[in-house]
Amino acid sequence: QVQLQESGPGLVKPSETLSLTCTVFGDSFSTNYWGWIRQPPGKGLEWIGYIYYSGNTNYNPSLKSRVAISIDTSKNQVSLKLNSVTAADTAVYYCARGHHDHRDWGQGTLVTVSP
Amino acid sequence: EIVLTQSPGTLSLSPGERATLSCRASQSVSNNYLAWYQQKPGQAPRLLIYGTSSRAIGIPDRFSGSGSGTDFTLIISRLEPEDFAVYYCQQYGDSPRTFGQGTKVEIK
Repeated sequence: QVQLQESGPGLVKPSETLSLTCTVFGDSFSTNYWGWIRQPPGKGLEWIGYIYYSGNTNYNPSLKSRVAISIDTSKNQVSLKLNSVTAADTAVYYCARGHHDHRDWGQGTLVTVSP
Repeated sequence: EIVLTQSPGTLSLSPGERATLSCRASQSVSNNYLAWYQQKPGQAPRLLIYGTSSRAIGIPDRFSGSGSGTDFTLIISRLEPEDFAVYYCQQYGDSPRTFGQGTKVEIK
């Protein structure tokens, strides 16, 4: 069984960069894809992108110019960076296992974009 | 991108009743790669169904999925108190992956 835990600042200023880390506990890190999904308060789910342990990535075109997902296999961590944030980027950010369906999720972390 | 439209937006039912949730895609979902998730307040989504009709590990058999092409259905045969939640469909046959807007199943 794998467990995922997101961490990072809960408050980011407009125009700055949102940075989150997902730490994966379990023995399946190097054989899986790892994705990020977000959910604005009271709204639905939006797929951000995913990364394979080899470093290959796939991003949502709506965010592609601002997003970067990276991986640190030595720490079992996946990172998300989203630059030039606005209030519209305020959301709960989830990391999840898989690049198709998502069978394991972190608990999510709320990131608020505000001055 | 493939737009998924879920209906109804809200379903008001009593425990023991049958729930039928619909997910319609703007174009055919490749390989019928369609999943369903359940989300309760303050929690992450939980995978119920993948590949249109396969139940995820630990999901009771009162949950069933069906469909193909552009029309998909999630049925909860007899609602239990813990089933009242929001349900999302997701397609993963094409990129970008997309989710429906959700159907809330509430207690009548």
